[in-house]
This record gives sequence, structure tokens and C-alpha cells, in this order.
Amino acid sequence: DAGITQSPRHKVTETGTPVTLRCHQTENHRYMYWYRQDPGHGLRLIHYSYGVKDTDKGEVSDGYSVSRSKTEDFLLTLESATSSQTSVYFCAIKDRQFYNEQFFGPGTRLTVL
Amino acid sequence: QQPVQSPQAVILREGEDAVINCSSSKALYSVHWYRQKHGEAPVFLMILLKGGEQKGHDKISASFNEKKQQSSLYLTASQLSYSGTYFCGTVFTAGGRRETSGSRLTFGEGTQLTVNP
Repeated sequence: DAGITQSPRHKVTETGTPVTLRCHQTENHRYMYWYRQDPGHGLRLIHYSYGVKDTDKGEVSDGYSVSRSKTEDFLLTLESATSSQTSVYFCAIKDRQFYNEQFFGPGTRLTVL
Repeated sequence: QQPVQSPQAVILREGEDAVINCSSSKALYSVHWYRQKHGEAPVFLMILLKGGEQKGHDKISASFNEKKQQSSLYLTASQLSYSGTYFCGTVFTAGGRRETSGSRLTFGEGTQLTVNP
């Protein structure tokens, strides 16, 4: 258990509404990541953070923004949700027990109607 | 540039062996393997590094062929608990170094493994 929680765990929203997902970690990890998982695509990186207020884009960042004002929290925001953003969202942290392995949170299932 | 996993799905009987492959069109710095059960988060299994070093799970083995830009995961004497979807995540190399910062992983689409009694 890498001490990662995600909230909410499930959310149903309507097209055009803003949505914020939260990832919280308790072990002071520097690197945090947001992925989305869709059938046929595996896990795709949305954004990642390498420190407080330090973030960078992943391969599918359009339509998403992130913020990290504290080490323990990494927020993912959909400014205006679309049906194509219906997905399962996973947060992850990077550990160094072996060699930069990543550990994932429990996930958030988001449905945009 | 997403790595290609094969097979897409495999069904075994308990005790049988399986091999899952992960191939890349780009040079690899490291390969990470994860297993995900239905409705759960992916779970880290192991990392394979350039030079052949393996770190992680002690009951599942894997290989990393840098020249062929591929890795294989070996599941021997499979157990029911091995069922799930296996993903490889890759870190690419450029000029012998990691291509991207932040240890970014590019994942394959997954291989669904089912072990039946």
C-alpha cells in the first residue's frame, strides 16, 4: 500500500460541467501522475508533477488541467467535461524501492452523460 | 510508439505455463510489468533495466532483449491468482539515456490472462 487515495471513487456528471478529481498521498513522494484507462488503449498519461507547482503534459492532455499546491495533493480538472472523457482515472506515484517503479491509487470511474 | 503486447489474450489451465511479449519500435531504457485484476488498480510486478538487471517480483521471471527491443514475461506453473490483465510499461532511450524526464511510462494495450481450474 503506497498510501494513495482518490476521490471521488465514482462520479456521474453532465456534458459541459467542470469536474475535479483529487489524488492524495501520505508518503511525501515527489512525482505524481494522472492516467486514464479505456478499453483498447491501456493506460495513457494525462499530466504528471515533479514537485509542488511543477507539472508537465502527457500524451493525452487536451481538455485537462492539473494543479499541485501541496506535496500530498495532485488535482485533475476537466474544465468542461465531454462524453469522450468518460473513463477510469488512475493516480500514481513514483517510488524508489526498486527503480522508479510506479504505484497506483484505486481509481475514479467518471461517466459524462 | 505504444509498445505492442502479444498475445492479446490467453487461457490456461492451472499449472500450465505462459509467455507474454512486449515489443517496441523504439529503443528501450527499461521495461516495467504490471498486473491488473478486474475493477482494481494495476499492481507493480517488476522492472527490467538495460544490462539485464531485474528488480521486483521473486516468483515471476522476465527477460529484456535490448537489441530486439522487447521483453517477455514468463508465468510458470500458473495459479488461479495469476488471472488478470498484464501490462508492460516502457521508458525509451535516446543516445543511451532515458528519453523523457519524470520516468514517464508508455503502456501497451495489455494481455488478458485467464487461469482455469
